[in-house]
Amino acid sequence: EADIYQTPRYLVIGTGKKITLECSQTMGHDKMYWYQQDPGMELHLIHYSYGVNSTEKGDLSSESTVSRIRTEHFPLTLESARPSHTSQYLCASSEYPTDRGYGYTFGSGTRLTVV
Amino acid sequence: AQSVAQPEDQVNVAEGNPLTVKCTYSVSGNPYLFWYVQYPNRGLQFLLKYITGDNLVKGSYGFEAEFNKSQTSFHLKKPSALVSDSALYFCAVRVNTGGFKTIFGAGTRLFVKA
Repeated sequence: EADIYQTPRYLVIGTGKKITLECSQTMGHDKMYWYQQDPGMELHLIHYSYGVNSTEKGDLSSESTVSRIRTEHFPLTLESARPSHTSQYLCASSEYPTDRGYGYTFGSGTRLTVV
Repeated sequence: AQSVAQPEDQVNVAEGNPLTVKCTYSVSGNPYLFWYVQYPNRGLQFLLKYITGDNLVKGSYGFEAEFNKSQTSFHLKKPSALVSDSALYFCAVRVNTGGFKTIFGAGTRLFVKA
């Protein structure tokens, strides 16, 4: 079934640890995105990708990095987690080009807590 | 059913004129409302939000939105449009379905002509 998957759903880690949040989609979408969202609040774009080997920074200043080696996979890495990184991270994909209408598919999110 | 409606697929405005992008919603309880913009080849960018308080909310790039509870609307406005405002605009509402979830409208494409 075509979908977008994020793992883990929940993660509690200590300050200074390196973590990678996984995101995979089976729809063959070229565009993928990472958003940060405090519970029930607005989305803030962290990174996005047009396709393989393409990555760009978004609007929110972030100490994270991403890679896009395969179309279906778009992992987000925090080299050294800090309590300020505590948030929900949402991965999304969309068809290229995104025409009128809402062409985004969102993953279920990873809720990260840094202690 | 909880929903967000953007009744216009496209809005055309001349540069320098005021613009309005319409949004109506249907949710239970007090809504949290958001506007996002998508420029070509970028992801959604947050513009502004209404949580509580003053019905007129100001956001990024000179945009503002007016919350009208009786009409269940949250229209996006700008006093003087720029060509660079041409983009796709999404209205969104937070709903509580046992956990918080964001519902997006279908989007409105704004064309600002020089």
